[in-house]
Amino acid sequence: AQTVTQSQPEMSVQEAETVTLSCTYDTSESDYYLFWYKQPPSRQMILVIRQEAYKQQNATENRFSVNFQKAAKSFSLKISDSQLGDAAMYFCAYGGNRDDKIIFGKGTRLHILP
Amino acid sequence: NAGVTQTPKFQVLKTGQSMTLQCAQDMNHEYMSWYRQDPGMGLRLIHYSVGAGITDQGEVPNGYNVSRSTTEDFPLRLLSAAPSQTSVYFCASSRQGPYGYTFGSGTRLTVV
Repeated sequence: AQTVTQSQPEMSVQEAETVTLSCTYDTSESDYYLFWYKQPPSRQMILVIRQEAYKQQNATENRFSVNFQKAAKSFSLKISDSQLGDAAMYFCAYGGNRDDKIIFGKGTRLHILP
Repeated sequence: NAGVTQTPKFQVLKTGQSMTLQCAQDMNHEYMSWYRQDPGMGLRLIHYSVGAGITDQGEVPNGYNVSRSTTEDFPLRLLSAAPSQTSVYFCASSRQGPYGYTFGSGTRLTVV
């Protein structure tokens, strides 16, 4: 069975600095998707970034980028120029093409220090 | 275009009561799922559906039933509520299963 592991329950970063959130996963599939979701205090789940496993190029969305290492099964999220609005719970997630479901890690709570 | 709509947003139940959490989407998505979120546990999959008339169990299905009679609706039924079912419940939908879900705003359920 696939698993997603986020080893950092909480992290803090100074405003305007860069922070990297770690995620590892385990799968026997070769074709899949990886995601980072943000959950602010409003509770809404927001898709931050998506990576297709067959693409070697790392996905980027403005200040958010990933470091996708397929062989190492690692998928970290880098947030550049951190802003107060980035404070949230961040979930790493895996979606396999064969089993039609998405599984989530336990999350990393990110604090932004002014 | 309302996206994914969950009702109610908050609910308190007594142990043993039954209820249905409603989920509707207007994006013509085939894939829909129910997750529960508990502190320190992330989101765990309860049930999912890949289309009308097709449902399957996720990681934590016990105590919950689902049905998918239409593409738009995917209700989650609690048969006999227990305090262990106190949680935040999210419904999500996608046009293609692993491509990425759009989430509803969640239902906070407390069972006393």
